[in-house]
Amino acid sequence: GIQVEQSPPDLILQEGANSTLRCNFSDSVNNLQWFHQNPWGQLINLFYIPSGTKQNGRLSATTVATERYSLLYISSSQTTDSGVYFCAVDNYGQNFVFGPGTRLSVLP
Amino acid sequence: KAGVTQTPRYLIKTRGQQVTLSCSPISGHRSVSWYQQTPGQGLQFLFEYFSETQRNKGNFPGRFSGRQFSNSRSEMNVSTLELGDSALYLCASSRGPEGFSEQYFGPGTRLTVT
Repeated sequence: GIQVEQSPPDLILQEGANSTLRCNFSDSVNNLQWFHQNPWGQLINLFYIPSGTKQNGRLSATTVATERYSLLYISSSQTTDSGVYFCAVDNYGQNFVFGPGTRLSVLP
Repeated sequence: KAGVTQTPRYLIKTRGQQVTLSCSPISGHRSVSWYQQTPGQGLQFLFEYFSETQRNKGNFPGRFSGRQFSNSRSEMNVSTLELGDSALYLCASSRGPEGFSEQYFGPGTRLTVT
């Protein structure tokens, strides 16, 4: 089956710093989403991005489908950005596969 | 527009019992998917329903089942509970009919099996 990897597994930042999270997938996919899981377990949609670049405030994402990776950029990080970031891919309707996540801690 | 709701939010059951979890999708969404999240296995796909039909199923034993009603609400059932079934169960809804178009998740049901 399709494999999804995320790096780094853990990231500690000082408030105000920028970061880049990476998601690699092993096969072509129909679409890709980025989520933020807060400390209460709620998965919050960040981006639905099968290809190209999107921006939403301090966050932006880029997916290069032909090279099988996606990047999530967080600029001017805030303590509320802490949590786990997941990417997940749609294996052409057969399965929705999550990566293992990147745990981000933003220190005040 | 109201988000995805799940009930109950927390549940404690004993080994051997069965449990039913409920998920109400966003109004207008016709696809509902279920996921299990554990510290060891991460987030894993259970099954996906669209228009009352199960279209896809993950690699879980037959003790895990689900259904979808005509109003798109969905339930999942786990029979003969095992300790390893302790997990956060998340459901997601999307407009469909594509398999996994943009998904929106509920707050989850945290199941503890003792």
